[in-house]
Amino acid sequence: LAKTTQPISMDSYEGQEVNITCSHNNIATNDYITWYQQFPSQGPRFIIQGYKTKVTNEVASLFIPADRKSSTLSLPRVSLSDTAVYYCLVGDRNSGAGSYQLTFGKGTKLSVIP
Amino acid sequence: ETGVTQSPTHLIKTRGQQVTLRCSSQSGHNTVSWYQQALGQGPQFIFQYYREEENGRGNFPPRFSGLQFPNYSSELNVNALELDDSALYLCASSEREAPSYEQYFGPGTRLTVT
Repeated sequence: LAKTTQPISMDSYEGQEVNITCSHNNIATNDYITWYQQFPSQGPRFIIQGYKTKVTNEVASLFIPADRKSSTLSLPRVSLSDTAVYYCLVGDRNSGAGSYQLTFGKGTKLSVIP
Repeated sequence: ETGVTQSPTHLIKTRGQQVTLRCSSQSGHNTVSWYQQALGQGPQFIFQYYREEENGRGNFPPRFSGLQFPNYSSELNVNALELDDSALYLCASSEREAPSYEQYFGPGTRLTVT
């Protein structure tokens, strides 16, 4: 499983765009990149997933360069409720044992300031 | 659609005891994964069940065991509890054949071992 590196913490003011970058130098051909959000005392919540280029949904965008050695989660116009820990995960759905098994790092603690 | 539920919410046990945690999968999901999350850390993969069979295991000792039932609900059993087993235990369900690798997490069970 590819190891990921992301900043331990970030601060942002309300209304700003926040970009969190994750490094995954040894990503494999079959690996997908997935981001989860976790609030205190809750289970993680899926945000977005991609393989290459750009993916956008109603809450975030995911930018993946051609070499796929990094990815950037972009949260547009954050609010106080976006204060949470954000995890970048890289893995292969069929990593020998069947369905996708998530490997979490320590994540990035995002604090949104009024 | 009912989400993932876990019981109990909180639990206090003594070192050496045994504990059983329960999880009900989201409707239509056939895969259940269990994670342990220590304070300040990301969730760590314990094991996964697909159609009642263990389908992958993380770096946890054999005293961590599980079951999945025909209705896809699941149990996590931990024997000979140790102080380091104190953590938030998360259950996540998914549909193995779905195109997305999204896993749906429950709220977790907070286990305290004294």
